[in-house]
Amino acid sequence: SQQGEEDPQALSIQEGENATMNCSYKTSINNLQWYRQNSGRGLVHLILIRSNEREKHSGRLRVTLDTSKKSSSLLITASRAADTASYFCATGIGGFKTIFGAGTRLFVKA
Amino acid sequence: EAGVTQFPSHSVIEKGQTVTLRCDPISGHDNLYWYRRVMGKEIKFLLHFVKESKQDESGMPNNRFLAERTGGTYSTLKVQPAELEDSGVYFCASSPGTSGAAYIQYFGAGTRLSVL
Repeated sequence: SQQGEEDPQALSIQEGENATMNCSYKTSINNLQWYRQNSGRGLVHLILIRSNEREKHSGRLRVTLDTSKKSSSLLITASRAADTASYFCATGIGGFKTIFGAGTRLFVKA
Repeated sequence: EAGVTQFPSHSVIEKGQTVTLRCDPISGHDNLYWYRRVMGKEIKFLLHFVKESKQDESGMPNNRFLAERTGGTYSTLKVQPAELEDSGVYFCASSPGTSGAAYIQYFGAGTRLSVL
């Protein structure tokens, strides 16, 4: 069974719309992170939210964390074509071990 | 500052052959991780080095996989002999040794391994 699962698997929206991706996990965590991967590139860290935080913002990104439901969401506001990428949630479960999900593929149409 | 570099970017080998993947982390990063992604599935943890020591190798699939990090700098991941199911993209990541910053990992572009 997977620790982190993103939903939806794929998302297609128009430029300017908001994109929301969700992540559910199974075990207790120390932190949760979101990464972005552009095709053929490595993953790039976007934002980290600690287990005692509920919401965090970074530019057009907003992340929420609900530890009671073991879920997180990533909201990208006013999306741009350049936001087209795969987005992964990653849970920090102890030490520096991080468990990644399968990702959400986001396609933003210009 | 150079990022994490991986070599080769793509390797095509036949079943039964040996392949060695290399990862050069960001200079000064004590933590080095290997991951594998197969067919669009989740990115699976393989192992974690702290300097030259294996901190956690619980994700290594079997004894056909051998990872080393001599001198605590670059790392190699050898697959011998390779099987069809070893195909996938192998990612390397590194992070600093300090407690807060260590959670954020910097990834290489990956090595795409195709075993035929």
